[in-house]
Amino acid sequence: AQSVTQPDIHITVSEGASLELRCNYSYGATPYLFWYVQSPGQGLQLLLKYFSGDTLVQGIKGFEAEFKRSQSSFNLRKPSVHWSDAAEYFCAVVPRAGNNRKLIWGLGTSLAVNP
Amino acid sequence: DGGITQSPKYLFRKEGQNVTLSCEQNLNHDAMYWYRQDPGQGLRLIYYSQIVNDFQKGDIAEGYSVSREKKESFPLTVTSAQKNPTAFYLCASGGGVGYTFGSGTRLTVV
Repeated sequence: AQSVTQPDIHITVSEGASLELRCNYSYGATPYLFWYVQSPGQGLQLLLKYFSGDTLVQGIKGFEAEFKRSQSSFNLRKPSVHWSDAAEYFCAVVPRAGNNRKLIWGLGTSLAVNP
Repeated sequence: DGGITQSPKYLFRKEGQNVTLSCEQNLNHDAMYWYRQDPGQGLRLIYYSQIVNDFQKGDIAEGYSVSREKKESFPLTVTSAQKNPTAFYLCASGGGVGYTFGSGTRLTVV
């Protein structure tokens, strides 16, 4: 079955440190790939997405993600974390074709930022 | 600006009551979705609609009902058959290129 795995349930980093959030997917063909962020009590906001082309994708708020086909991964990175980045981060995929093109979600990674 | 509006932001339900959560979008999206979010369980799909007057059950549809009479609107009713309705509910619209989310409704049973 198609699935998305975010191995880290909770991560704590210090402000100014670098960040990498992991995402692996299990799917026959390369899907479309997404990262969303959710602040407490809010909806989800799209950070970035990968459809094709350059495997390093730039997003909003200084985030980037790299697609690695050989590892079925789409890890999210940020060089220097700000306190305002504390939030829940969700990785999601959707098939490129077919009738059932709903997003398949990971369970999320909760990020805490120490001052 | 285009977007999705969910209302109310907070909702309280007594045991045995039905309540309806509103979701309106002006993005001209055909597809709309309802998710339930509980701590540690990610987003679980309740219902989705890919076109007006048509909708399908998601993974946890029991105790919920929806309608899609207009492209812009996709209300969710939490019925008395839903035994554990306290949760955060998110509405989204979009498709294969990604979803746009509303700001959510927090439902609490009192």
